[in-house]
Amino acid sequence: AQRVTQPEKLLSVFKGAPVELKCNYSYSGSPELFWYVQYSRQRLQLLLRHISRESIKGFTADLNKGETSFHLKKPFAQEEDSAMYYCALSPFQGAQKLVFGQGTRLTINP
Amino acid sequence: EPEVTQTPSHQVTQMGQEVILRCVPISNHLYFYWYRQILGQKVEFLVSFYNNEISEKSEIFDDQFSVERPDGSNFTLKIRSTKLEDSAMYFCASSRLGQDTEAFFGQGTRLTVV
Repeated sequence: AQRVTQPEKLLSVFKGAPVELKCNYSYSGSPELFWYVQYSRQRLQLLLRHISRESIKGFTADLNKGETSFHLKKPFAQEEDSAMYYCALSPFQGAQKLVFGQGTRLTINP
Repeated sequence: EPEVTQTPSHQVTQMGQEVILRCVPISNHLYFYWYRQILGQKVEFLVSFYNNEISEKSEIFDDQFSVERPDGSNFTLKIRSTKLEDSAMYFCASSRLGQDTEAFFGQGTRLTVV
């Protein structure tokens, strides 16, 4: 079975502090991992994907196959980072479904 | 920038009634999806659709659900006889064919079954 776990429903940090949103997955194959973000009153949108190895808006995420984790990190949080963050898994490259975690609501305090 | 559009934004229906949720995917996308999110729960995959047929569906997507692309632009989700537990936010998404599995999501339709 494919499962994505985000252990923190809520995370609150101060502006300028480092941020880490945790994501663990359960899947026996080689999945693709994504982070989606939903800002207030906006639609769900892709933040980054492990296969592209990019840094988007200062966020990075490294796939650790040994620990089956894909944690999202940013060294210095900004107020505009406040949003709902969802980790998601696609069972294989080209698969046409996403399995989502519960989501973490990140609040950046001024 | 092209967007996935969903209508209506909010639909209230009585239990047992049929509802149709509508979506206009991005025009050059060939895969279409429906997801739902019950309040306080995960976003769950319902169905994917390609080349005028269902390519994958979840166990949630039972005989009460159907999808259709009636006119080459709209993509609809029909629930034949709604139950209270169908109350949720329903998201439509689309993606390009091939290895690009980035899904572009609509704003969602909040379905309330009373």
